[in-house]
Amino acid sequence: GAGVSQSPSNKVTEKGKDVELRCDPISGHTALYWYRQSLGQGLEFLIYFQGNSAPDKSGLPSDRFSAERTGGSVSTLTIQRTQQEDSAVYLCASSLFRGGNNEQFFGPGTRLTVL
Amino acid sequence: AQSVTQLGSHVSVSEGALVLLRCNYSSSVPPYLFWYVQYPNQGLQLLLKYTSAATLVKGINGFEAEFKKSETSFHLTKPSAHMSDAAEYFCAVSVYGGSQGNLIFGKGTKLSVKP
Repeated sequence: GAGVSQSPSNKVTEKGKDVELRCDPISGHTALYWYRQSLGQGLEFLIYFQGNSAPDKSGLPSDRFSAERTGGSVSTLTIQRTQQEDSAVYLCASSLFRGGNNEQFFGPGTRLTVL
Repeated sequence: AQSVTQLGSHVSVSEGALVLLRCNYSSSVPPYLFWYVQYPNQGLQLLLKYTSAATLVKGINGFEAEFKKSETSFHLTKPSAHMSDAAEYFCAVSVYGGSQGNLIFGKGTKLSVKP
């Protein structure tokens, strides 16, 4: 079956522009997660959704970052007024249920480069 | 709070040699532990997971890991390295019932396999 997909696979933007990153989770997965992977920082948790709700947004690095999920499916991560330090690979994952021993399935990521 | 420490950011072995990637965790409650592998320009793929059913966990591609509570360790091993094992490996911890259910990752260990 289809796995988690993300688009675009690569995004190059200029400092100060807004970008939108998209994640299509595995059908039927209720939980969706966004992570950021950058050199020297490892994998950093950003936000998770249970259904369309994001109970805890404290992992987002600044108020320039926001995310939404519609229809319990597709999620969009938006970065406003991008900065060079936002350059990273943004990974999305989904799982049947939230937390515990539920395996998270990862997408291939979106590589964001801010010039 | 939970945390994961991976000893050695880079490990190099010869083809056919034992692979040992170290992971220590910190958790105040019984954890769920995971090993993921990331091949270049790809997302993360689950190798194996510990969910308290058995302390020795077998995963894909001949990898296994042993949960040792007394040592708070979950080291990943493979008896004989293959060239195709060259990748980056991440250890992660999750806590059942945690408010977020997200994975907390170690910094990763890059495995090189020499012919």
